[in-house]
Amino acid sequence: KQEVTQIPAALSVPEGENLVLNCSFTDSAIYNLQWFRQDPGKGLTSLLLIQSSQREQTSGRLNASLDKSSGRSTLYIAASQPGDSATYLCAAHNTGKLIFGQGTTLQVKP
Amino acid sequence: DTEVTQTPKHLVMGMTNKKSLKCEQHMGHRAMYWYKQKAKKPPELMFVYSYEKLSINESVPSRFSPECPNSSLLNLHLHALQPEDSALYLCASSQDEDFRTQYFGPGTRLLVL
Repeated sequence: KQEVTQIPAALSVPEGENLVLNCSFTDSAIYNLQWFRQDPGKGLTSLLLIQSSQREQTSGRLNASLDKSSGRSTLYIAASQPGDSATYLCAAHNTGKLIFGQGTTLQVKP
Repeated sequence: DTEVTQTPKHLVMGMTNKKSLKCEQHMGHRAMYWYKQKAKKPPELMFVYSYEKLSINESVPSRFSPECPNSSLLNLHLHALQPEDSALYLCASSQDEDFRTQYFGPGTRLLVL
């Protein structure tokens, strides 16, 4: 059974800092891994999807990497801004389902 | 247009009420999903529809009844809910069930009294 873990659970950084969010999964037979952002009380916004055959994906200040062999993915956020404050969720996609981690709540202080 | 819409935004219902949640997408997606999210927890999959047929039911109690009238619309009918069913109900869609990007709606915040 797939289990997804995100560390840390919460993170507070000053504006402008580069940061890395971590995601690990127990079953490496994933088809893809997706990163989402969720603002309080809102739905999920898809940020990046990495196919199992890919190593990384980039979108603007975001870069996500995937290492299937070690069961890890990271989300790198460059030059963080207060508007980046949100909960970031990773989800592993296998057997037709998304299995979510518990999320990392990020606060970027001005 | 990558928008999934959900109505209503908020819903308060008693345990004897019958209500429905609605989800709509016009992206031509053929897979649609219902998730339940409790406070400070990740979303949990409830149902998956693929090409308008129910393909996954995650052992959800029968007081939740999904319906997919057409490829753009997904409903969740609610009856005799319990207070512990209070949660954010999220709808999502993807091009098909084969591991594509899922796009989520804003959710319906449900309170059962």
